[in-house]
Amino acid sequence: DAGVIQSPRHEVTEMGQEVTLRCKPISGHDYLFWYRQTMMRGLELLIYFNNNVPIDDSGMPEDRFSAKMPNASFSTLKIQPSEPRDSAVYFCASSLSTAGCEKLFFGSGTQLSVL
Amino acid sequence: DAKTTQPNSMESNEEEPVHLPCNHSTISGTDYIHWYRQLPSQGPEYVIHGLTSNVNNRMASLAIAEDRKSSTLILHRATLRDAAVYYCILRARVGGATNKLIFGTGTLLAVQP
Repeated sequence: DAGVIQSPRHEVTEMGQEVTLRCKPISGHDYLFWYRQTMMRGLELLIYFNNNVPIDDSGMPEDRFSAKMPNASFSTLKIQPSEPRDSAVYFCASSLSTAGCEKLFFGSGTQLSVL
Repeated sequence: DAKTTQPNSMESNEEEPVHLPCNHSTISGTDYIHWYRQLPSQGPEYVIHGLTSNVNNRMASLAIAEDRKSSTLILHRATLRDAAVYYCILRARVGGATNKLIFGTGTLLAVQP
């Protein structure tokens, strides 16, 4: 398996523009997670899905952020409109379950810069 | 959620063993202890996990105190490629909506040649 695949690897955009980040989880994994990493706040969990259904979006910073999972092999995180403070690395991860013994597999991340 | 405490940074010399400590005094009897690491410009990667007994795998060893209130990740021979941020995280045994993987600030390990 190729692992968790994220695209694009880097994204530079201007304030006010819409940004869409993409993620393909590992085949067979029922859980998908979106994290954001900044120097100030570290790694934050934004939202996670189980069988394509959002389970917990309490970490989503505000209404400008939305996430979807139309099928088991694809998820998007959208920011509209984007702001400079959204600049961060966004990671997607997947796992078989949320059991305590289960591990997460992370993608390489999308480095987002909003000018 | 039970919390973990780790030193902000540690240094090691190449080819020497490294012991990375983690305190988790409020751990519950059913919490697993997980370790992840994040190499520069990469996503976090799983290292090892355990419940009560010490664990070994190809990457590292995990030593868990008898009272489970602390643990130590052991890299037997550090290499330059082991320079990373190491995170110690607790996860409840039973899955569910609240059993999220929450990262703290971790320990930044520097390896000197």
